Amino acid sequence: ETGVTQTPRHLVMGMTNKKSLKCEQHLGHNAMYWYKQSAKKPLELMFVYSLEERVENNSVPSRFSPECPNSSHLFLHLHTLQPEDSALYLCASSQVGLAGGPRFFGPGTRLTVL
Amino acid sequence: GQQLNQSPQSMFIQEGEDVSMNCTSSSIFNTWLWYKQDPGEGPVLLIALYKAGELTSNGRLTAQFGTTRKDSFLNISASIPSDVGIYFCAGQSSEYGNKLVFGAGTILRVKS
Repeated sequence: ETGVTQTPRHLVMGMTNKKSLKCEQHLGHNAMYWYKQSAKKPLELMFVYSLEERVENNSVPSRFSPECPNSSHLFLHLHTLQPEDSALYLCASSQVGLAGGPRFFGPGTRLTVL
Repeated sequence: GQQLNQSPQSMFIQEGEDVSMNCTSSSIFNTWLWYKQDPGEGPVLLIALYKAGELTSNGRLTAQFGTTRKDSFLNISASIPSDVGIYFCAGQSSEYGNKLVFGAGTILRVKS
């Protein structure tokens, strides 16, 4: 139990669907991250929120839209995705000011786009 | 190009053997992290290193921050079946805006 939960754990969607991924952290951290993990590739940072403000948008296509309503919750809204967007999407959290980036990751959402 | 080169890509070893893996770069890093990812789970931070030459242990795991600041090493002693998983190195470098960059991972399989 890492203190970072993600729902759903698995998601299959068509290219015309709209869905959302949810992340919740119970660690009292104030920074949250979305990463994309594809097979045999390094983790790719997508978005970073620090103190509920987006501080990083790593050239992510607009079909991915993040939302951070408070320091404990992070969403990733998905629409008109492509099959190459199929991957494991990981949420992570950390404390601002602590060197080294995210400490705790959630279990991920396995996304398949048909 | 690849920011971090992690090797080996995969390993298949006997239970009880020691394991070594490393991460190298052409850039200088100021932080190195090692994570392990079990099947169906997210990565878990194992060890964090902040100074060149630093050697840190976590149980049977030992990691070192290379003296050139361009590499890091992870050793696992006396491997057991639950060591199976993917091990990732990650680092922060001013050359990448101090964003955390990851290696592609080392897949460890243990024969019991």
